[in-house]
Amino acid sequence: SQTIHQWPATLVQPVGSPLSLECTVEGTSNPNLYWYRQAAGRGLQLLFYSVGIGQISSEVPQNLSASRPQDRQFILSSKKLLLSDSGFYLCAWSVLAGTGTEAFFGQGTRLTVV
Amino acid sequence: AQSVTQLGSHVSVSEGALVLLRCNYSSSVPPYLFWYVQYPNQGLQLLLKYTSAATLVKGINGFEAEFKKSETSFHLTKPSAHMSDAAEYFCAVSPFTDKLIFGTGTRLQVFP
Repeated sequence: SQTIHQWPATLVQPVGSPLSLECTVEGTSNPNLYWYRQAAGRGLQLLFYSVGIGQISSEVPQNLSASRPQDRQFILSSKKLLLSDSGFYLCAWSVLAGTGTEAFFGQGTRLTVV
Repeated sequence: AQSVTQLGSHVSVSEGALVLLRCNYSSSVPPYLFWYVQYPNQGLQLLLKYTSAATLVKGINGFEAEFKKSETSFHLTKPSAHMSDAAEYFCAVSPFTDKLIFGTGTRLQVFP
């Protein structure tokens, strides 16, 4: 069966520090991978998605970047965190997107920038 | 661009009462639609999905949703609320691309 791992679960980082959140998927090949950010009252904002190794689509301009160095690994990064980067970050995967297949989510990372 | 709108950021019901969470979509063609549930500090779990096979979709935990093209709606219902239903609920649309677009969510409170 497929599983998705996302870590760390919580993170407190000072302003200006770097960030690296990792997400890995097991039990499937060539998944579509997504990073979402959830802020209070704003639902889930799609940050990045990837349909293959090295292929990253950015949805909104921001202080973050994403990379997919391996088929089932998706990394969210920042060189210098801002206070506004605080939020709940969710990684997700799906296959055959556009055919009604749902996305499966990790447990999320609560990031607090202080 | 395709989108979903969830009416009501907070809904409160008594235990045993009907749950109705509203979702309207915007799409030029019938989309794929989803309802997810999120418990505090957790990821999202799929409740049900519409993929054009049947307009009334039954999901987990006694929830169901009806796709109404004439109203561009996909409202989520449950006949009798349980305390364990308290959570945040998200409607989402998959617009035949590689993305899943979510609404802003509705927080459901259930009172004894």
